[in-house]
Amino acid sequence: GENVEQHPSTLSVQEGDSAVIKCTYSDSASNYFPWYKQELGKRPQLIIDIRSNVGEKKDQRIAVTLNKTAKHFSLHITETQPEDSAVYFCAAQKGKLIFGQGTELSVKP
Amino acid sequence: EAGVAQSPRYKIIEKRQSVAFWCNPISGHATLYWYQQILGQGPKLLIQFQNNGVVDDSQLPKDRFSAERLKGVDSTLKIQPAKLEDSAVYLCASSFSGAANTEAFFGQGTRLTVV
Repeated sequence: GENVEQHPSTLSVQEGDSAVIKCTYSDSASNYFPWYKQELGKRPQLIIDIRSNVGEKKDQRIAVTLNKTAKHFSLHITETQPEDSAVYFCAAQKGKLIFGQGTELSVKP
Repeated sequence: EAGVAQSPRYKIIEKRQSVAFWCNPISGHATLYWYQQILGQGPKLLIQFQNNGVVDDSQLPKDRFSAERLKGVDSTLKIQPAKLEDSAVYLCASSFSGAANTEAFFGQGTRLTVV
């Protein structure tokens, strides 16, 4: 079945550094790739998304890149801040919305 | 606009008992998802509805789990009988249209503990 693999499972960076989270997907028909941020005890919330007809999208300190040929996409956070600390999930969708396993990001002051 | 509403927020039951969760999606959202999120893991899709039809329920343990979305609006997810491994947060989400793949908005979730 469809699968989304996410790496790393944990990531620790110093404040101001960049963080990169990578995902691969199995269904080549997937055409929508959202990223969600989940703070402890809260609901997942969308932070950025990209569609298959676009290779890169940026929103302030957050950017996402998509390589359809390789079936992988990545989240880039620049100038990280302590409030960026959370669990981040990638997802891929054609019909079903399938999530990766999550990356716990810790930004140390 | 109002968000996705779920109830109850917390539930503790003994194994072999039954439990039901309720979800009211954002008005006008055709697609409704139920996810199971075990602590430390990503959300696992249990069932996805488009209006009142099932898009996918391949990961739903049908011997104990059932879900319905009567009239294409509210939805209920039931577990009967519950097992210890069902302890998780059950998240409901909705989106305007699954076919167009738009943002899925999540509810607060129901935290189920089976003892």
